[in-house]
Amino acid sequence: GAVVSQHPSWVICKSGTSVKIECRSLDFQATTMFWYRQFPKQSLMLMATSNEGSKATYEQGVEKDKFLINHASLTLSTLTVTSAHPEDSSFYICSARETRTDTQYFGPGTRLTVL
Amino acid sequence: ELKVEQNPLFLSMQEGKNYTIYCNYSTTSDRLYWYRQDPGKSLESLFVLLSNGAVKQEGRLMASLDTKARLSTLHITAAVHDLSATYFCAARGGGAKSYGKLTFGQGTILTVHP
Repeated sequence: GAVVSQHPSWVICKSGTSVKIECRSLDFQATTMFWYRQFPKQSLMLMATSNEGSKATYEQGVEKDKFLINHASLTLSTLTVTSAHPEDSSFYICSARETRTDTQYFGPGTRLTVL
Repeated sequence: ELKVEQNPLFLSMQEGKNYTIYCNYSTTSDRLYWYRQDPGKSLESLFVLLSNGAVKQEGRLMASLDTKARLSTLHITAAVHDLSATYFCAARGGGAKSYGKLTFGQGTILTVHP
């Protein structure tokens, strides 16, 4: 089946630094990718919808200047957490929508800890 | 705005017993998904339900969809310890502007004990 990878799997950084997370569809093209955030014991909350070649669409309450999303190709979307703070510590999961089958596949997630 | 509610949120079951998790959604949705999540892991796809009356089964899990009632169920038969996990349902919003984004329920934490 289709595979979505995320890199890194986990990252620990100091407060005030920026962190980039990559989401790749390995064997299919994805014009649309989604970024979710999940806090412990909670559900997944959609942060933004990333469309290849255009600006991301952010959900209400998500700061677009803090969570920068770039979807430069049909197989890669990146999420950059700028000036990270401890409250940004979370599990970030991306998903990629395979255009041909209209099926969404989830990545393994990236655990971010900000000290 | 599409909202999804699961019930119950916590479920402790004895091995061998049956139980059903319910998932209600508030507005029209063109797909309903069920996922499993183990601690520290991402989502594992279990079922996708596309139409009214759809029923899918895999092992001890069976999912169904009633689009008129906006209700999906995940039925667990003769539970075993390996089924302990968090289960999420998610509804996909209809319409081109939704880009196929999913709205998740709160999750049901299932614990199966001897």
